[in-house]
Amino acid sequence: QKEVEQDPGPLSVPEGAIVSLNCTYSNSAFQYFMWYRQYSRKGPELLMYTYSSGNKEDGRFTAQVDKSSKYISLFIRDSQPSDSATYLCAMSRYSSASKIIFGSGTRLSIRP
Amino acid sequence: SQTIHQWPATLVQPVGSPLSLECTVEGTSNPNLYWYRQAAGRGLQLLFYSVGIGQISSEVPQNLSASRPQDRQFILSSKKLLLSDSGFYLCAWSPPGQDTQYFGPGTRLTVL
Repeated sequence: QKEVEQDPGPLSVPEGAIVSLNCTYSNSAFQYFMWYRQYSRKGPELLMYTYSSGNKEDGRFTAQVDKSSKYISLFIRDSQPSDSATYLCAMSRYSSASKIIFGSGTRLSIRP
Repeated sequence: SQTIHQWPATLVQPVGSPLSLECTVEGTSNPNLYWYRQAAGRGLQLLFYSVGIGQISSEVPQNLSASRPQDRQFILSSKKLLLSDSGFYLCAWSPPGQDTQYFGPGTRLTVL
């Protein structure tokens, strides 16, 4: 079993829809959770960073962590065509110089 | 502000030839540095990471090597490339004591 599971998609939704992206994980020691966005042929860019369980909001993006279920989500409100990209979840156990485990990414397409 | 550079952006090399990819970071001191490989449709595979000059940890046995000759310079090398070395190579850095990683633009390597 992979440490981090992420549905590869592709996921296609109309512009303006609310998008929900999810990851599950098996290692209960993970405490730090991240979401990266990767446009085609570019390096990933950090979108959200959260510690432990709870919600974090940044503009149209909300990251949610449920450690009891080992489940994390990224919600995108009022989705735009420019949100079309691959979204990678990532997580780690410690806060310094640790290995980050990445999901394989979900490809998202927003239809105008 | 911090900036990470990678070059070349694209590289086509014959099997058996050597490889040298370079990554430099500006605007920070003593960063943690990472090399990843991303195969098509797959997640990020951590290859090497470094917490200081001359300190390299290898994550996956392979015919690649890494070196850190200066604080903000990270080099990925191979003496003889294999077909299986083709992929998208990403360099990343994180501030000392933190694990949020910031990625460079990547190098797309094709071995023929």
